[in-house]
Amino acid sequence: GQNIDQPTEMTATEGAIVQINCTYQTSGFNGLFWYQQHAGEAPTFLSYNVLDGLEEKGRFSSFLSRSKGYSYLLLKELQMKDSASYLCAPRHAGNNRKLIWGLGTSLAVNP
Amino acid sequence: EAGVTQFPSHSVIEKGQTVTLRCDPISGHDNLYWYRRVMGKEIKFLLHFVKESKQDESGMPNNRFLAERTGGTYSTLKVQPAELEDSGVYFCASSQIQGASHEKLFFGSGTQLSVL
Repeated sequence: GQNIDQPTEMTATEGAIVQINCTYQTSGFNGLFWYQQHAGEAPTFLSYNVLDGLEEKGRFSSFLSRSKGYSYLLLKELQMKDSASYLCAPRHAGNNRKLIWGLGTSLAVNP
Repeated sequence: EAGVTQFPSHSVIEKGQTVTLRCDPISGHDNLYWYRRVMGKEIKFLLHFVKESKQDESGMPNNRFLAERTGGTYSTLKVQPAELEDSGVYFCASSQIQGASHEKLFFGSGTQLSVL
């Protein structure tokens, strides 16, 4: 079957570091995406991992372990505007290429 | 560059009525996807167009849903007749190159559909 598991909610303090974990089970795998979604807005692309290891992009980094079915998103130097929902989405292999979504993690950044 | 636009942003209809959602992808994007998020649940794939052809429609709930993309530009998703369980946010996304491993999806802001 297919299953994505993320914490439902997290809280952190401005300026701190937070790690959002995601475990997944999919039938076939062709990369994993992280998206950010503010309430009432479109999900926006944050990162993509297809090989094991860490991908760093500014304040955001994403890690993937394919053998463990595990990824995390690391947010550094948190800002108030980082308060949003963070969605982990592995992608099917093959021609359909559709993304499988978790429920997302709602992150609240407090001053 | 204009992003993915969806219309309307909100729609409130009664059970049994018909609603048509529209998505304008980013110009030049061959891939167009429809996704739906029902309240409290995860985003679910509905279907995928490559230009005007349906590549995968395995996520369409039933035959009350009809998606079209005539001419390979904008797409419409029609629900007829609408049922209560069709309520949710309908997202459209587009991307440029199907063959690329790093196919980044650009999402629209969604259409919030409420069926009463």
